[in-house]
Amino acid sequence: QLQLQESGPGLVKPSETLSLTCTVSGGSISSSSYYWGWIRQPPGKGLEWIGSIFYSGSTYYNPSLKSRVTISVDTSKNEFSLKLSSVTAADTAVYYCARHGYPAPMDVWGKGTTVTVSS
Amino acid sequence: DIQMTQSPSTLSASVGDRVTITCRASQSISSWLAWYQQKPGKAPELLIYKASSLKSGVPSRFSGSGSGTDFTLTISSLQPHDFATYYCQQYNSYPYTFGQGTKLEIK
Repeated sequence: QLQLQESGPGLVKPSETLSLTCTVSGGSISSSSYYWGWIRQPPGKGLEWIGSIFYSGSTYYNPSLKSRVTISVDTSKNEFSLKLSSVTAADTAVYYCARHGYPAPMDVWGKGTTVTVSS
Repeated sequence: DIQMTQSPSTLSASVGDRVTITCRASQSISSWLAWYQQKPGKAPELLIYKASSLKSGVPSRFSGSGSGTDFTLTISSLQPHDFATYYCQQYNSYPYTFGQGTKLEIK
């Protein structure tokens, strides 16, 4: 059974870079059928897609965040990562990683990790 | 970007009720629409994909319909554990976008 698990610091200072990793277990991140994405949810608000990556390294980013986002993949570790630079309080959210096909919805999600931006 | 608009934002209903949530896309997305259920403190769970296809294991009281720009999620007979927030999402094109959510509350 495929499982995704987010990890990373729960507290980041303003202007610094948020870094999270999603570890995939129970399946290979190198599947040619799937993309791997990041989605976030600010407290009490809705869902926002951040971006997705294919195992080959092809990336797709939300234009609203593109200038600050980098998503990368490490097939040897079966994990993919998110970096969001120059964070502000508006980046405080629960960050989820998820799997999706193309075109297909997110069918497997991690449990989410809370990141707070505060000094 | 394709904007997704859900209505209502909040819906109060009772166990056994039939409820419908609507989702409208700002441009045609064919049938590339999904519905998710989210409970407090939990990740969203996929219910329906391709507008009307039920994910395996999802109760048949959930159904979806629509194509183009207008879509609906119907729960035929509400059960206690159905009270949650529901989101639609288009995956016709990047950037993927979600509706603002519909909170289904107990009346």
